[in-house]
Amino acid sequence: KQEVTQIPAALSVPEGENLVLNCSFTDSAIYNLQWFRQDPGKGLTSLLLIQSSQREQTSGRLNASLDKSSGRSTLYIAASQPGDSATYLCPKGNDMRFGAGTRLTVKP
Amino acid sequence: DAGITQSPRHKVTETGTPVTLRCHQTENHRYMYWYRQDPGHGLRLIHYSYGVKDTDKGEVSDGYSVSRSKTEDFLLTLESATSSQTSVYFCAISVRQDPNTGELFFGEGSRLTVL
Repeated sequence: KQEVTQIPAALSVPEGENLVLNCSFTDSAIYNLQWFRQDPGKGLTSLLLIQSSQREQTSGRLNASLDKSSGRSTLYIAASQPGDSATYLCPKGNDMRFGAGTRLTVKP
Repeated sequence: DAGITQSPRHKVTETGTPVTLRCHQTENHRYMYWYRQDPGHGLRLIHYSYGVKDTDKGEVSDGYSVSRSKTEDFLLTLESATSSQTSVYFCAISVRQDPNTGELFFGEGSRLTVL
């Protein structure tokens, strides 16, 4: 069974800070990896997809990296904004299991 | 959005009644998933399908069954709904043939309340 651990579970920061969210897996056989955000009461929005041949992917202020050897992925958010407040998730595996996510709050 | 539609979006039912949720896709992708999401538990996989008539159990499959008679539809059935099945249900598809390299897209969710 694939276990997904996300650290930290919750994070509260003032606006403007750079921050890092982490995702790790018990099974390091990783092919591609996708980061999502979920706003309260809403569905999941895909943020970034790191393909199996890639080590990182960037979109605007977001940068995600993948270290297959350690079974870890990192999402870096630059210059955080209140609109970034959400829960961030990273599924893994053939059956796409999720961890508990990181709940981010960015204070104005 | 990969053409995913969930129905119904909202449903209130009584304990003991059967309930079927439908996930419909327009693009004939092979892999489809049903999740439930509850406060404090995050997203948990119920069942998934890797083709017509090919399904498998996820983490929390007890009390649920699924069917996939057509590529475009993945049905989730609660044979006899219980209050513990009150939840928000999400359908997802993996865009690509191989889920290891696929990109996951989600439907908008179906909120089920069992009284």
